[in-house]
Amino acid sequence: AQSVSQHNHHVILSEAASLELGCNYSYGGTVNLFWYVQYPGQHLQLLLKYFSGDPLVKGIKGFEAEFIKSKFSFNLRKPSVQWSDTAEYFCAVNALRGAGNMLTFGGGTRLMVKP
Amino acid sequence: DVKVTQSSRYLVKRTGEKVFLECVQDMDHENMFWYRQDPGLGLRLIYFSYDVKMKEKGDIPEGYSVSREKKERFSLILESASTNQTSMYLCASRRDRDLSEAFFGQGTRLTVV
Repeated sequence: AQSVSQHNHHVILSEAASLELGCNYSYGGTVNLFWYVQYPGQHLQLLLKYFSGDPLVKGIKGFEAEFIKSKFSFNLRKPSVQWSDTAEYFCAVNALRGAGNMLTFGGGTRLMVKP
Repeated sequence: DVKVTQSSRYLVKRTGEKVFLECVQDMDHENMFWYRQDPGLGLRLIYFSYDVKMKEKGDIPEGYSVSREKKERFSLILESASTNQTSMYLCASRRDRDLSEAFFGQGTRLTVV
């Protein structure tokens, strides 16, 4: 069965620090990859996605992620975080199961940015 | 504006009760999903549906069933609620043809006592 692992459960950074959140998945077939963010008290929303092409994808709010197929990884990065980036971040993988496409999430990483 | 609506924000039920959680989307999406969200465990997929009356088990289907009689509505059923089903339940939907962004409801916090 496919799975998604996020190795850091909690990350604390100061403003202007650089961010990298790890995500590894296990699935042998073609995958589509996503990062979602959940700000306190809000719905999950899409940050960025990778389907094909350039493995470096850019998303909203200055976030980017790099797909490394050989490492089954899709790490999220931001060069300089802001206090408003405090949120929980989820990596997700879309893959075929049966006749449908399922969307599987990782355990999440809670980011706290200190002002 | 896209909308996924879950019928209740908070729910308290007794052990052994049959519980229905309802989700409605107004975007004519083919795919719908039910997750539970628990601290440290992220979102775990319970069931998903890729069309009316079509469903697939997710990673943790035990103790749950689903119903999709109409395209816009996806119901999660707890056959006999237990305390370990106390959790936040999230519904999501998305278009099937491009597997693009999934839109989430506001969640139902279920407490089983």
